Amino acid sequence: GQSLEQPSEVTAVEGAIVQINCTYQTSGFYGLSWYQQHDGGAPTFLSYNGLDGLEETGRFSSFLSRSDSYGYLLLQELQMKDSASYFCAVRSRNTGGFKTIFGAGTRLFVKA
Amino acid sequence: DTAVSQTPKYLVTQMGNDKSIKCEQNLGHDTMYWYKQDSKKFLKIMFSYNNKELIINETVPNRFSPKSPDKAHLNLHINSLELGDSAVYFCASSPFAGGAADTQYFGPGTRLTVL
Repeated sequence: GQSLEQPSEVTAVEGAIVQINCTYQTSGFYGLSWYQQHDGGAPTFLSYNGLDGLEETGRFSSFLSRSDSYGYLLLQELQMKDSASYFCAVRSRNTGGFKTIFGAGTRLFVKA
Repeated sequence: DTAVSQTPKYLVTQMGNDKSIKCEQNLGHDTMYWYKQDSKKFLKIMFSYNNKELIINETVPNRFSPKSPDKAHLNLHINSLELGDSAVYFCASSPFAGGAADTQYFGPGTRLTVL
């Protein structure tokens, strides 16, 4: 089967750097995505890693290590508006075709 | 312009009723999804359609029936509503089902409350 693990909550201070980890178990792995969801809002796409290494998009970066079945989302220069839930999502391909499965989400609290 | 829209935004109903949620995307995507997000924020895939054809049907009670009249629309009909159906239901779309990268665009969600 498939499983993803990420911390349920992380707290950090405005201006700091925070890393949200995601470990996964799946067969037919293709890539790892990250989504952000504010309270009362819809999930929005942040990044996708199909290959090992770091992808940078402004203050946000995402990393993947396929050999370790591990990835993380790095948020720099934290702002209050970054308080939200962050979901990692695994893309895999098996006999049934492609599928994307979401983790349980990490709630990030940014404090002043 | 709204990319993925859902109606209604809120739905309050009694147990045992039948209700529908509508979803439309104007992105020209081939693939559409329904997700259920419970109070613990867990996003669970329910169904996925590619160009009007069902490609993913997770272990969802058969009281839930999706319908895709065309690739821009994916509706969800729920029969005999139960208390446990209370959740936020999200519709999403992505360019195509067969890609390694899968950027999904979510609708605003429908908050369903069953009394």
